[in-house]
Amino acid sequence: GESVGLHLPTLSVQEGDNSIINCAYSNSASDYFIWYKQESGKGPQFIIDIRSNMDKRQGQRVTVLLNKTVKHLSLQIAATQPGDSAVYFCAETHYTGNQFYFGTGTSLTVIP
Amino acid sequence: DAMVIQNPRYQVTQFGKPVTLSCSQTLNHNVMYWYQQKSSQAPKLLFHYYDKDFNNEADTPDNFQSRRPNTSFCFLDIRSPGLGDAAMYLCATSSGTGEYEQYFGPGTRLTVT
Repeated sequence: GESVGLHLPTLSVQEGDNSIINCAYSNSASDYFIWYKQESGKGPQFIIDIRSNMDKRQGQRVTVLLNKTVKHLSLQIAATQPGDSAVYFCAETHYTGNQFYFGTGTSLTVIP
Repeated sequence: DAMVIQNPRYQVTQFGKPVTLSCSQTLNHNVMYWYQQKSSQAPKLLFHYYDKDFNNEADTPDNFQSRRPNTSFCFLDIRSPGLGDAAMYLCATSSGTGEYEQYFGPGTRLTVT
């Protein structure tokens, strides 16, 4: 499979602060990236996606940045809340296939 | 509104005893996936179906098989479970028509004794 990895395995932030979760990918042909949130005992939940023809996409309290030059992806969560505590995964795919490959994951803990 | 349903949520099997996990979907999606997720690790893609076309990952052991009798259902068969196969097994779907969002089920946690 493809190689998609995360720089930081754990991250602790104070409630109300912004969080930044990073991801590196190795396949320069990947053209679609997704961030997932996974809470304990549940399946991954879609947060936000971005296509390779974009370098930034914003959602509600979340922003994904894509730097294709260095094959780096980041997820920014604004005003982090206790409910944001979870493991976050990035995943990548290419439009010619249906396979999705996941990165290592970062465990985010929000300190009240 | 459950969209991807996995049964059972928890499954205990004995070493070497075949086990089947099931997944169903109400989304009418073309693609169904099976992932294996071990503790504190990322989901690992085992295989997927695009309609009836089976696509195996190169590093998926032969011990893992899958069946998709119709659009709605997909099964994961583990022919001879080993202790190392204890994991969460996640089923997911995607439309396969240019929309890449995957919808995951809650997973089945498999214990091998």
